[in-house]
Amino acid sequence: DIVMTQSPDSLAVSLGERATINCKSSQSVLYSSNNKNYLAWYQQKAGQPPKLLIYWASTRESGVPDRFSGSGSGTDFTLTISSLQAEDVAVYYCQQYYNSPLTFGGGTKVEIK
Amino acid sequence: QLQLQESGPGLVRPSETLSLTCTVSGGSVSSSSYYWGWIRQPPGKGLEWIGSMYYSGSTSYNPSLRSRVTMSVDTSKNQFSLKVTSVTAADTAVYYCARLGNNAYYYYMDVWGKGTTATVSS
Repeated sequence: DIVMTQSPDSLAVSLGERATINCKSSQSVLYSSNNKNYLAWYQQKAGQPPKLLIYWASTRESGVPDRFSGSGSGTDFTLTISSLQAEDVAVYYCQQYYNSPLTFGGGTKVEIK
Repeated sequence: QLQLQESGPGLVRPSETLSLTCTVSGGSVSSSSYYWGWIRQPPGKGLEWIGSMYYSGSTSYNPSLRSRVTMSVDTSKNQFSLKVTSVTAADTAVYYCARLGNNAYYYYMDVWGKGTTATVSS
């Protein structure tokens, strides 16, 4: 199985400041034939299902604010919230879809400082 | 707008079978463009993929659950289902159904149901 490790477990950021979440995979999720990273990011607010934010490591899902961005390749990835808003308080998960079983990171809780 | 709704008994006895259904509205489970999946989340914990399936009935399961899991589809009702046998307290979780973003077993999930809680207890 590909193990997804997120860091930090939690972070507190002031409103309007940048939040950075890291995700590391135990093996590369870059498929060489199409040069795509099989990595997605989700946001889960309290009591709600996860919501897809980013796929192919850096493609923003329709309707997702542009303050959310994804970067990285191979085994190391980052989700950045450029200017944290109150509505961004949530747990964020990365997920690999390179192979089976699909696996998720342990989650990073983002709070307001 | 595609919507998914999970349903099933909230309480299941240990060693019995958990049965859940996901009803698809605003779209068709028979679409050739998408696969469908189940994901669960134990209380206060992270997400675990259970399996994915196609409307033809073909499936792919998480090896950690494969011996106890069956997914099926009922195209006439626009539903797909999950059965987990021999449940224990470790199967207590919120169960989500979801659409995979393409016609592949292994993909990201772009539409999720609201989830249903299944508690295993005597």
